[in-house]
Amino acid sequence: AQSVSQHNHHVILSEAASLELGCNYSYGGTVNLFWYVQYPGQHLQLLLKYFSGDPLVKGIKGFEAEFIKSKFSFNLRKPSVQWSDTAEYFCAVNPRSNDYKLSFGAGTTVTVRA
Amino acid sequence: EAGVTQSPTHLIKTRGQQATLRCSPISGHTSVYWYQQALGLGLQFLLWYDEGEERNRGNFPPRFSGRQFPNYSSELNVNALELEDSALYLCASSTGLAGPNEQFFGPGTRLTVL
Repeated sequence: AQSVSQHNHHVILSEAASLELGCNYSYGGTVNLFWYVQYPGQHLQLLLKYFSGDPLVKGIKGFEAEFIKSKFSFNLRKPSVQWSDTAEYFCAVNPRSNDYKLSFGAGTTVTVRA
Repeated sequence: EAGVTQSPTHLIKTRGQQATLRCSPISGHTSVYWYQQALGLGLQFLLWYDEGEERNRGNFPPRFSGRQFPNYSSELNVNALELEDSALYLCASSTGLAGPNEQFFGPGTRLTVL
């Protein structure tokens, strides 16, 4: 079955530490890739997206992600986290066809300690 | 620009009852998506409507249904409620088949089945 895997369930960091969250998917064809973030008490927001072109994409709030086609991966990174980055992060994949549903990973809870 | 809105914010029902959840997409968006975010199960795709038609549905029983109105707003109906239907129901919208599949999410409706 097609799926999206996020490797870490819960990550705890100190402020200024670097963050990397892994995401792998199992779709064989061309895909659109997304990272969403859900801050405490808020709704899902789009952090960044990859449709085509440069595999290194930059999003809001200093986040970036790299698409590595050969590894079916789309890992999220931030060089230096802040307390305000405490949130749940979701990787999502959409096969680039006429099917626009998003398949989500299980999510990673990131806790940044001041 | 107003985002995706959902009503009600919270809904409490008992087993066997019916629930109706509503969603208004971003102005200009023709596609509406419904997702279920249940504890421990992550975000699961439920339904996708575009231009008034159901385009796809996820792996949910037929008692989950919905519709999209001419103004592109949407309703999700859940019949014969079961305890495991308790979840956060998220609605998202996008520009649909005419544009990139970038989905914007609403705040959700928290459904509790007693």
